[in-house]
Amino acid sequence: KQEVTQIPAALSVPEGENLVLNCSFTDSAIYNLQWFRQDPGKGLTSLLLIQSSQREQTSGRLNASLDKSSGRSTLYIAASQPGDSATYLCAVRLTNTGNQFYFGTGTSLTVIP
Amino acid sequence: NAGVMQNPRHLVRRRGQEARLRCSPMKGHSHVYWYRQLPEEGLKFMVYLQKENIIDESGMPKERFSAEFPKEGPSILRIQQVVRGDSAAYFCASSPRAYTDTQYFGPGTRLTVL
Repeated sequence: KQEVTQIPAALSVPEGENLVLNCSFTDSAIYNLQWFRQDPGKGLTSLLLIQSSQREQTSGRLNASLDKSSGRSTLYIAASQPGDSATYLCAVRLTNTGNQFYFGTGTSLTVIP
Repeated sequence: NAGVMQNPRHLVRRRGQEARLRCSPMKGHSHVYWYRQLPEEGLKFMVYLQKENIIDESGMPKERFSAEFPKEGPSILRIQQVVRGDSAAYFCASSPRAYTDTQYFGPGTRLTVL
C-alpha cells in the first residue's frame, strides 16, 4: 500500500527566505508525482508535475525534484513571499493501479512579511 | 471555460439525515474522481467514475455511501444516515480522459454533521 509522508507538517519562514518541502513515498513504482497548493477554504491548484522518467521540473520560483529509487521528492521555493502562504500537498499516481492520486498530509507554510 | 464546480460549498446536516454533494466537471471532461479530506488528514481517494459507470470504488466506505455520474447532469456523491465522522471536505476532480497527467479539482464541499 502506498504511503505518502510530508515533512515538516508546518513551516514558518521570514519573507525572502529560500525553503525546501519534503515528500516521501513507500512504493517507488509511480507513474508521476504532482505538487499542489491548497488555500484555506479553496480547492487544489496544481503547481508542478513530474513524470516518473524525469528528475525535476521548474516553474518560476518553484523547482521540484524526484528521486524514484529513494522514494523522495522535494519542492524548492526561492525568495519566498507572503502570497506563498498555503498548504502544499504532494500526490503520487501509481503505474499499476487506477487513476487516483495518493496524497500526503501536506505542509502548512506561513511566510512572514 | 469554467472550472470544476461543486455545490453546495457548505452543507450542514443532522445525524441520520442524507447528504447530496454535486460535482459538475469541466466542459469536455468525462472522468470524475471524488476525494475526502478528514480533519488533520490528507485527501483520500473515494471513487472514480466515467459517464454512467463506476470504474473504481475501492476507497468508498462499504455502507451509506454511493456515487453516480449520469449521462446528463452532474456527478452526485450521496451519503445516507450521516454520522459525525462524515464531517469532512469532499473534493471532486475531473479529467478529459483516463491516465492523464492532471486532474482539475473543484473548491470542495465542506460537510458538517451536527
